[in-house]
Amino acid sequence: QQQVKQSPQSLIVQKGGISIINCAYENTAFDYFPWYQQFPGKGPALLIAIRPDVSEKKEGRFTISFNKSAKQFSLHIMDSQPGDSATYFCAARSGGYNKLIFGAGTRLAVHP
Amino acid sequence: GAGVSQSPSNKVTEKGKDVELRCDPISGHTALYWYRQRLGQGLEFLIYFQGNSAPDKSGLPSDRFSAERTGESVSTLTIQRTQQEDSAVYLCASSLVGTGNTIYFGEGSWLTVV
Repeated sequence: QQQVKQSPQSLIVQKGGISIINCAYENTAFDYFPWYQQFPGKGPALLIAIRPDVSEKKEGRFTISFNKSAKQFSLHIMDSQPGDSATYFCAARSGGYNKLIFGAGTRLAVHP
Repeated sequence: GAGVSQSPSNKVTEKGKDVELRCDPISGHTALYWYRQRLGQGLEFLIYFQGNSAPDKSGLPSDRFSAERTGESVSTLTIQRTQQEDSAVYLCASSLVGTGNTIYFGEGSWLTVV
């Protein structure tokens, strides 16, 4: 019940295209859903996060879509750029319990 | 520095040796986490410290792993009698307390056991 399942494992997108990464969870106690971006040799960095009381959050080219009833959330990267090539992790955390549970990651490659 | 600082950045050790990895969290962050990331894998929770509360050790994979934190500052992760399967990047992170607060990661300590 603590798992967060992420797909796809890898993704290749052409420059200017839309990258979509999906995550699903089981634990309804989760109330905070961040996405992290990790470049090779670096630690993960927060990209964007959402709480379950909203269905969508947009920051620049990055959008989280959240479906509470389906217990799914996704990251959309619009106008994908080669500089977006990185590994993306979804995560979830429950109130009063600070541990972040991470998905397995998606390796995104944006080709010019 | 302004971020989470970890040392060493790289460590090569012989099987059976003990290693210590150090983490300096962001000043004022009372929550501190250790995660393990094997090559090409996701982040595996190891341990969580919050102020003076008892740490959440539920992710430590064996009794060879231990961690300490001095007050609300430096933390040390110790791996005794290292094994080849311990080879990974060990990531430290810190945050303010509260569900919505961002967890900031360091760049990790890359451990190779030969």
